[in-house]
Amino acid sequence: LAKTTQPISMDSYEGQEVNITCSHNNIATNDYITWYQQFPSQGPRFIIQGYKTKVTNEVASLFIPADRKSSTLSLPRVSLSDTAVYYCLVEEAAGNKLTFGGGTRVLVKP
Amino acid sequence: DVKVTQSSRYLVKRTGEKVFLECVQDMDHENMFWYRQDPGLGLRLIYFSYDVKMKEKGDIPEGYSVSREKKERFSLILESASTNQTSMYLCASTFLGQIYSNQPQHFGDGTRLSIL
Repeated sequence: LAKTTQPISMDSYEGQEVNITCSHNNIATNDYITWYQQFPSQGPRFIIQGYKTKVTNEVASLFIPADRKSSTLSLPRVSLSDTAVYYCLVEEAAGNKLTFGGGTRVLVKP
Repeated sequence: DVKVTQSSRYLVKRTGEKVFLECVQDMDHENMFWYRQDPGLGLRLIYFSYDVKMKEKGDIPEGYSVSREKKERFSLILESASTNQTSMYLCASTFLGQIYSNQPQHFGDGTRLSIL
């Protein structure tokens, strides 16, 4: 059973790159890693998903090392509108388990 | 665009009441989920359903039940509400009949439930 741990908060400035690392030491072979973004008074919204190495889309990159015990969400050149809570999710293939991290509150300052 | 609609944004109920939270999705998704969200704990899965009349327990099913009579609608029921069930409740849905479909979950905007 994967326990998913991420930092509680981090601050950044406009234009900087933000990297959020999620720890999932007991991840299983078939499990996927997914990241969601949540604004106040809204439900979480899908950002990116990966299994190994690197995945990139129009809003973020996801880096997963070979041992897959952690993953890093990278947000390039953040803006004020990227201020939100970011959740890491490990979707376990065995046992019907979806394990969310506690969320990382990212504050982007001018 | 997928729309997941939760019937109430805010709800206040009393201890011991039977409470119904409703969720409807408009994209013919097979899977539907109910979570509760508490500060520092992230989202915890209460129940999910992969088909009409089918349900599976998540991590914290105690004190809750669910109903899925139609594909588009998934209801969460608090049989006898207690103060420790005060929380934000989120509904979500995905394609396919497997929980590990690796399809992104589409969330509603949540119901903030207070039990007095």
